[in-house]
Amino acid sequence: QVQVQESGPGLVKPSETLSLTCTVSGGSITTSYWNWFRQPPGKGLEWIGYVYYTGRTDYNPSLKSRVTLSADMSKNQFSLKLTSVTDADTAVYYCARDTPGELWGQGTMVTVSS
Amino acid sequence: DIVMTQSPDSLAVSLGERATINCKSSQSVLYSSDNKNYVAWYQQKPGQPPKLLIYWASTRKSGVPDRFSGSGSGTDFTLTISSLQAEDVAVYYCHQYYSTPYTFGQGTWLEIK
Repeated sequence: QVQVQESGPGLVKPSETLSLTCTVSGGSITTSYWNWFRQPPGKGLEWIGYVYYTGRTDYNPSLKSRVTLSADMSKNQFSLKLTSVTDADTAVYYCARDTPGELWGQGTMVTVSS
Repeated sequence: DIVMTQSPDSLAVSLGERATINCKSSQSVLYSSDNKNYVAWYQQKPGQPPKLLIYWASTRKSGVPDRFSGSGSGTDFTLTISSLQAEDVAVYYCHQYYSTPYTFGQGTWLEIK
């Protein structure tokens, strides 16, 4: 049974870089595209982007200048980096397999605050 | 970007009654080469990730109760719960994966009347 789990700091200071990792267990990251989504408290869902194990990526233009997604086959993980964060980046961040996302992690809450 | 607009924003339905949620896309999400509508529906309960219910507008994901059904084509889509159960209280989102950036409707909060 494939599972995905997000991990990373729950608190990031304004202007710093948010870094999250999604670890895939029970399966290989080479079989799918892997998406990142986020959901601010009490609000709707936003697609951040996807990454394929080859390194192919696609990003939401609203975040493209600040986002980098990458994949690490040796660790069966993929990662998100979001630079120059502000309050508006406070959200639950999810990783999910494929489009539409049919397997999601439980999500990790990231708060941007000094 | 394709804008997905759901209606209503909230809905109260009696147990055992039908619930209907609508979703309209700002442009067609029907891909002519495969004749598929690139729309999905998700259910999200508090503190949980979204759960995929329907994809290709009308294909129910394995394990999803058959009281959930999706319909529509082009720009207009509907999620129907034929007989509302208590465990169906949640927020429901439509989602287009026709083109990036993938987008979602604003969500519909479904509760028991």
